Order: sequence, then structure tokens, then C-alpha cells
Amino acid sequence: QVQLVESGGGVVQPGRSLRLSCAASGFTFSSYGIHWVRQAPGKGLEWVAVISYDGSNKYYADSVKGRFTISRDNSKNTLYLQMNSLRAEDTAVYYCAKEKGRAFDIWGQGTMVTVSS
Amino acid sequence: DIQMTQSPSTLSASVGDRVTITCRASQSISRWLAWYQQKPGKAPKLLIYKASSLESGVPSRFSGSGSGTEFTLTISSLQPDDFATYYCQQYNSYSWTFGQGTKVEIK
Repeated sequence: QVQLVESGGGVVQPGRSLRLSCAASGFTFSSYGIHWVRQAPGKGLEWVAVISYDGSNKYYADSVKGRFTISRDNSKNTLYLQMNSLRAEDTAVYYCAKEKGRAFDIWGQGTMVTVSS
Repeated sequence: DIQMTQSPSTLSASVGDRVTITCRASQSISRWLAWYQQKPGKAPKLLIYKASSLESGVPSRFSGSGSGTEFTLTISSLQPDDFATYYCQQYNSYSWTFGQGTKVEIK
């Protein structure tokens, strides 16, 4: 079935780095833009970044621009989020989501990132 | 950046009630507006996209309307499974923003 599965979350100290992965299955991964969306504990949803179907275009929220990098490997059906210079305010569940009509129709289960000393 | 304002923040309703949630954009977003349902500990679920298009598999009691800056999500007859938090989401110029959410509680 159509599925996105995130991994790579964990506890990391402020200023350190972490890389998240999102494995896709059940659809033609290389045909779709894919996003990262995050949700801080008890808070609402925040869009983080998007990458186009072929990886040629990338856009970021101002809150992560210059610190986070989105990438993809279509040969492995996998999306990545490299997170550098992590801050306490980056603590959240991170979801990957497939784009449909400028909305998000397929979501992963999420992976928790905690930034704490 | 475009700001999205949802109202109300919390809504108490009974099974069978007609429920309406409003989302206002700080500037026109044409019809690039989606609605999601989220239950505790779960990922959001797409209900409506392009303001009024019902996502496949979503019950027809959910409907969306609006354009420009004002949008509504209507649940025609609230069911027990509908108690959840609802978010609107806009797209404009390669930037996506969510509303702050509306929690629908049992009255």
C-alpha cells in the first residue's frame, strides 16, 4: 500500500546535527514533490521544506533556512532532511508528506526529534 | 508570509450537529486551501483540497467552500469519529502555512 515511513529521530544536544530519512513505497516516488512538516509537542503543524519530484527545486520555511537541507534519492525511494545547528525550538515530531494539489495527501507516522542538553 | 487564522479555537458540539469552522488568510490565496483532521498521536488526514475538492475515501458529510481570503469547513452531521482537531493549510508562492487548529469536543 501507499506508505511513507520516517526514521532517524532521537535526542540530540543543541548545536549538533541529525539526519532524518523517509522511505516511500506503493507509489511512483520520483513523480511527486515531497515535504517535511513538523509539530512541536502540544502545538500545531508547521511546514518545514519541500523538494520537487526531481530534486531540482527546494524551498524552506524561514525558521530553518540555512540550517536544514532537504534532499532525495529517487533510486532508493527515499527523502532526507539534514538538520544542522539544532535548537531547542526544533523539538518536534517530523512528518514527511506527499504533495497533491498543493496539499499533503499521504503522511508518514512521524519521527520525534528532541533537542536538549 | 501569509497568516492563517482559524475560528473558533475550540468547539463543543453533539453528535448530529452541523459544525462550521472558518479559516481566514491574511491575503488572497485563490483556492489553494486544504483541510485536515488530526487525532491524538496520529498524523493528519487530508479531508479537502483546493478549497472544495473532497479527498478520496472521506465521507460526504465533510465539505469545503470559499475563495480568496475566507474559507469554511462544514461537517453536516457530526459523528462520534469526528471529534478531533482540524487544521486549515494554505499555499502561496512556494510557501505553505497552517492555521492554529480547531479542537472539536463532545458537548
